[in-house]
Amino acid sequence: NAGVTQTPKFRVLKTGQSMTLLCAQDMNHEYMYWYRQDPGMGLRLIHYSVGEGTTAKGEVPDGYNVSRLKKQNFLLGLESAAPSQTSVYFCASSYRHRQPTDTQYFGPGTRLTVL
Amino acid sequence: GQQVMQIPQYQHVQEGEDFTTYCNSSTTLSNIQWYKQRPGGHPVFLIQLVKSGEVKKQKRLTFQFGEAKKNSSLHITATQTTDVGTYFCAGHPSSNTGKLIFGQGTTLQVKP
Repeated sequence: NAGVTQTPKFRVLKTGQSMTLLCAQDMNHEYMYWYRQDPGMGLRLIHYSVGEGTTAKGEVPDGYNVSRLKKQNFLLGLESAAPSQTSVYFCASSYRHRQPTDTQYFGPGTRLTVL
Repeated sequence: GQQVMQIPQYQHVQEGEDFTTYCNSSTTLSNIQWYKQRPGGHPVFLIQLVKSGEVKKQKRLTFQFGEAKKNSSLHITATQTTDVGTYFCAGHPSSNTGKLIFGQGTTLQVKP
């Protein structure tokens, strides 16, 4: 049981390049999330998904797209990377929103640098 | 929009001293969760509080949820070097947006 995994762990991009971050979970969780973490800003929600085939915008969605074609996978895409997207990206998953027992399980993170 | 503010942003303590971080929400929360992130690591769930005025303890850690369900605190008694990390509070708004709102985190450093 690997929990939540993220690929890649590190990446350096040039401005304007594109890339996809992959998140996978083996806990059969319905909900999945993408956050970015910047110094002093905490964790900010980019996009999230409440189930296979569904996605929704979070707090900072601009410049990112997501897809959830399979329940266990949640992809985050950057179509044209910008230096402002330099950050650490965390994926998380949970059983349900809004439930007293809901907790989020985080992946190890992807450190992205855009030059 | 809905916000969860956390103070202080940083705290340096001598090993053995106590530490407290405070979390305040602009809106009523249905529950509050606390996470710990070790340096270079990822956030890990610590505990969830649901009831107004609830207090829970985990060894040297005491968590409180305010009576109005808009604030919370985490208190660590007699800190140890293993307590180093960033502590995040996160809340589910009662308005049921379905999103967990994280505070900015408090980074704790402990001098041995």
